[in-house]
Amino acid sequence: DTEVTQTPKHLVMGMTNKKSLKCEQHMGHRAMYWYKQKAKKPPELMFVYSYEKLSINESVPSRFSPECPNSSLLNLHLHALQPEDSALYLCASSQGSRAENTEAFFGQGTRLTVV
Amino acid sequence: QKEVEQNSGPLSVPEGAIASLNCTYSDRGSQSFFWYRQYSGKSPELIMFIYSNGDKEDGRFTAQLNKASQYVSLLIRDSQPSDSATYLCAVWTIGSQGNLIFGKGTKLSVKP
Repeated sequence: DTEVTQTPKHLVMGMTNKKSLKCEQHMGHRAMYWYKQKAKKPPELMFVYSYEKLSINESVPSRFSPECPNSSLLNLHLHALQPEDSALYLCASSQGSRAENTEAFFGQGTRLTVV
Repeated sequence: QKEVEQNSGPLSVPEGAIASLNCTYSDRGSQSFFWYRQYSGKSPELIMFIYSNGDKEDGRFTAQLNKASQYVSLLIRDSQPSDSATYLCAVWTIGSQGNLIFGKGTKLSVKP
């Protein structure tokens, strides 16, 4: 089983709203990631959690706030987003962050539209 | 600046032919190499990974790695229309703390 589950699949939110994206995996993976993907572009890394600790924050604006409540769950809290933040938000997980176990599996993504 | 380069395509092949997708990378410290397939509007799906020089085969897919030339490729034999998608090459480098560097992807079109 290589399943990473993301909810919701689609989200439309206003610029003053607060919402959260959720991601769950039960593969025992200890590294979890948030990526952002715009149309016709490759995924761009936003955050990396390794063993439930934030290890990378790729200069993401503070209106995006990640949270890792436990080793299976990853959230992305959204507040005061801009229309240019509209994108496909992808969660991924891997066994760890060392070379021999870095195969990352992606969830189905949340299509976010900010109006 | 670590870079992963792919020809954006589109690469068009007839059904049943071999599709050859190429990727080069700039960081000699790169250790792990991945091919993802992404259908329009969907998330990337891992189809192959390779760590050592040489070939790795899985069904109709063969990944080839040449670290001296900093080159990784994906061959798809007996291409099917369902293989039509964007193929993303991704590279992991020690010290990057799990940051996969993605190429921009090659769009493959398999014509019936």
